[in-house]
Amino acid sequence: DAGITQSPRHKVTETGTPVTLRCHQTENHRYMYWYRQDPGHGLRLIHYSYGVKDTDKGEVSDGYSVSRSKTEDFLLTLESATSSQTSVYFCAISRDASYGIRTDTQYFGPGTRLTVL
Amino acid sequence: EDQVTQSPEALRLQEGESSSLNCSYTVSGLRGLFWYRQDPGKGPEFLFTLYSAGEEKEKERLKATLTKKESFLHITAPKPEDSATYLCAVQASSRLTFGEGTQLTVNP
Repeated sequence: DAGITQSPRHKVTETGTPVTLRCHQTENHRYMYWYRQDPGHGLRLIHYSYGVKDTDKGEVSDGYSVSRSKTEDFLLTLESATSSQTSVYFCAISRDASYGIRTDTQYFGPGTRLTVL
Repeated sequence: EDQVTQSPEALRLQEGESSSLNCSYTVSGLRGLFWYRQDPGKGPEFLFTLYSAGEEKEKERLKATLTKKESFLHITAPKPEDSATYLCAVQASSRLTFGEGTQLTVNP
């Protein structure tokens, strides 16, 4: 258990509305990630963060933004949700080894199922 | 572009019937290959990391092996509780590239 929680766990929203998903970790690791999982595509990286206020894009970042104002929280925002963003969203962390060096193994949260009508 | 292909897409076994899942990959400069287990409605659960060809790791009924082009997840004498989707991922840069998974069903 990597101490990761995601909220909400389920959400139904309408096209055009903003949505924010939250990922919270209890172990204060530097690296955090947002993925989406869809049938036929596997897990795909949306954005990741390597520290407070330090973020970068993944392979499917269009339509998404992220923020990290505290080490423990990584927020994913859909500014104007579309039906193509209906998916299951997973947050992950990489555990910091000694001296703050990231280890490669990623540990995942329980996921948020988002439906955009 | 990194690519990961898992086969078969789905596998049905009888309890005790050993088998293997395959993960073929194309990557420039492999830093690590990862196996995860995912149960319905849950997040992926880490199983193994393999770093170089020839490496093997075991955990209970599972054994993961790695060559320069593929990895196998061997399941020995599976039980119904081993039923899950098994995901493979490779890392070449700072990102993981996932395969689509193999859905394993073990019947009692």
